[in-house]
Amino acid sequence: GENVEQHPSTLSVQEGDSAVIKCTYSDSASNYFPWYKQELGKRPQLIIDIRSNVGEKKDQRIAVTLNKTAKHFSLHITETQPEDSAVYFCAASLSNTGNQFYFGTGTSLTVIP
Amino acid sequence: NAGVTQTPKFQVLKTGQSMTLQCAQDMNHEYMSWYRQDPGMGLRLIHYSVGAGITDQGEVPNGYNVSRSTTEDFPLRLLSAAPSQTSVYFCASSYSGASYSYNEQFFGPGTRLTVL
Repeated sequence: GENVEQHPSTLSVQEGDSAVIKCTYSDSASNYFPWYKQELGKRPQLIIDIRSNVGEKKDQRIAVTLNKTAKHFSLHITETQPEDSAVYFCAASLSNTGNQFYFGTGTSLTVIP
Repeated sequence: NAGVTQTPKFQVLKTGQSMTLQCAQDMNHEYMSWYRQDPGMGLRLIHYSVGAGITDQGEVPNGYNVSRSTTEDFPLRLLSAAPSQTSVYFCASSYSGASYSYNEQFFGPGTRLTVL
């Protein structure tokens, strides 16, 4: 099955700096790559996703890039704010197998005011 | 539209006890799944269902049973709880990959289970 690795496990940045979280996946057939944000004690919520036919996607301060050849994808957060502090999870999915998602182990991001 | 709901929010069991975690969704999603979340291990898939009457095992199915008699409900049963099952459990749902190409999974609020 799919194996998703995520780095780093913890990340601290100064407010206003950028944060980058990287994930790799093993199954070249995976074609959907969502990113979830989980605040303490809350449920994971989708913040951005990318499909295998797209190399980059941006939504305001958040962007995701995908390199299918290298089988890695990254989350970029610019101009970080204290409210960005949370745990971020990447995932990989092969959409035509019934939406089985394989999650990374998470990155705990702390934005220091 | 309540989305994905889970009950209970918290539960303490003794080793060997059984219980059912409830999950329901009102979005007419075909796909439902159960995850457990442990520190440093992310979200691991326990069981999933692609529609009423159809279930399958995920990465960590041992010690858990599921059934899907309706589109809305997907309960998770622990037959004989063990301390290793202490975790936070999330239910999630989405449209099926058969009818949509790529689909956001919506998560429930979670159940925090402690087994003593």
